Amino acid sequence: QKEVEQNSGPLSVPEGAIASLNCTYSDRGSQSFFWYRQYSGKSPELIMFIYSNGDKEDGRFTAQLNKASQYVSLLIRDSQPSDSATYLCAVGSPNNAGNMLTFGGGTRLMVKP
Amino acid sequence: GAVVSQHPSWVICKSGTSVKIECRSLDFQATTMFWYRQFPKQSLMLMATSNEGSKATYEQGVEKDKFLINHASLTLSTLTVTSAHPEDSSFYICSARDIMGAGGSEQYFGPGTRLTVT
Repeated sequence: QKEVEQNSGPLSVPEGAIASLNCTYSDRGSQSFFWYRQYSGKSPELIMFIYSNGDKEDGRFTAQLNKASQYVSLLIRDSQPSDSATYLCAVGSPNNAGNMLTFGGGTRLMVKP
Repeated sequence: GAVVSQHPSWVICKSGTSVKIECRSLDFQATTMFWYRQFPKQSLMLMATSNEGSKATYEQGVEKDKFLINHASLTLSTLTVTSAHPEDSSFYICSARDIMGAGGSEQYFGPGTRLTVT
């Protein structure tokens, strides 16, 4: 069974700090990796995707992928209280019917002013 | 770009009635859409994969006769909850895969439909 694991948190960081969110996955054939942000009572919003090993930066967000270690992370620089949300890691595999994604349980991030 | 809409955003219905939820990709074509359900403080649960022009694929434990899915066009999928009961009350969210996106696998979520069955 394909699994995606995340620490449920909450991860608490002070405003302005770097928040580091981690995710591991079990399917070594996985090829696409996504980070979604979900505010309470709202649907998930895609904030980053990464397909190749290494780092990918977009504004305050950096996604890091290490396929050998089956590990993907999301760094949020200069964290703001508005970043407080649950962050979902999702992994896609070409073996999945319809390219469905396997989601982790999410990490709740709290940024304290 | 990559906007997905859902209608209605919330609905209250009586036990035993049926409810239809629409999911539309507004600015891209989606051959594949996905339907999820999320209970309070729990993670997303995939219910089914909806393929344009063919039958949906349901996840284990999801009753296909209770949750009817139709994906008649490249921009519209519908989920009908038949004979709804209070235990069906949940947050139903669809997503659509943008095959023309940067990697071809990105999924974008609709805003969700909150269903309450009384």
